[in-house]
Amino acid sequence: DTAVSQTPKYLVTQMGNDKSIKCEQNLGHDTMYWYKQDSKKFLKIMFSYNNKELIINETVPNRFSPKSPDKAHLNLHINSLELGDSAVYFCASSRQTSGRQETQYFGPGTRLLVL
Amino acid sequence: GQQLNQSPQSMFIQEGEDVSMNCTSSSIFNTWLWYKQEPGEGPVLLIALYKAGELTSNGRLTAQFGITRKDSFLNISASIPSDVGIYFCAGHGGSQGNLIFGKGTKLSVKP
Repeated sequence: DTAVSQTPKYLVTQMGNDKSIKCEQNLGHDTMYWYKQDSKKFLKIMFSYNNKELIINETVPNRFSPKSPDKAHLNLHINSLELGDSAVYFCASSRQTSGRQETQYFGPGTRLLVL
Repeated sequence: GQQLNQSPQSMFIQEGEDVSMNCTSSSIFNTWLWYKQEPGEGPVLLIALYKAGELTSNGRLTAQFGITRKDSFLNISASIPSDVGIYFCAGHGGSQGNLIFGKGTKLSVKP
């Protein structure tokens, strides 16, 4: 059984379009995350979210917005896609423990190519 | 902000050799994690460290949480071709803030 799943695995689209990437975790975790991995393989946090709080990395453009229909899902919506948005986007999840960063488990990634 | 320096950036080794990579932080961390990412996949957790001085093994992998809480290393003994991938360290400084990732060590193993 896949613990953290993402769809689609590949996404090719035109500049200016709006697209969404879906993420689901069946681990019963409280906190979910979105990361962007650039062509140099650098992993950068975009958002972390639990049922109480959304923490946004201040460098993320407001064209990116996470939406959580329930605790097991955190989707990423991107408006007005730009060429520079091309990257691999990873969803992750972890338990929420006070005072300690719990291990994050990653999805398989969504490879976004903006033309 | 917090920064993580991971080295080496890449390694080309012969099968059977031992491998060592490390990460250093500009500030104290409470958690160190080591992940491996294979081509086309997401990072997979290898080892998690939660205490200064902690030494933990997972098969041929051994990782340690440095005493100063500002560094960690990962060793791989007797490397095999399937060890190929990018290894990331990640650290966290406490209840606030995000997990910070190193830039990765790309490992290539020649059979």
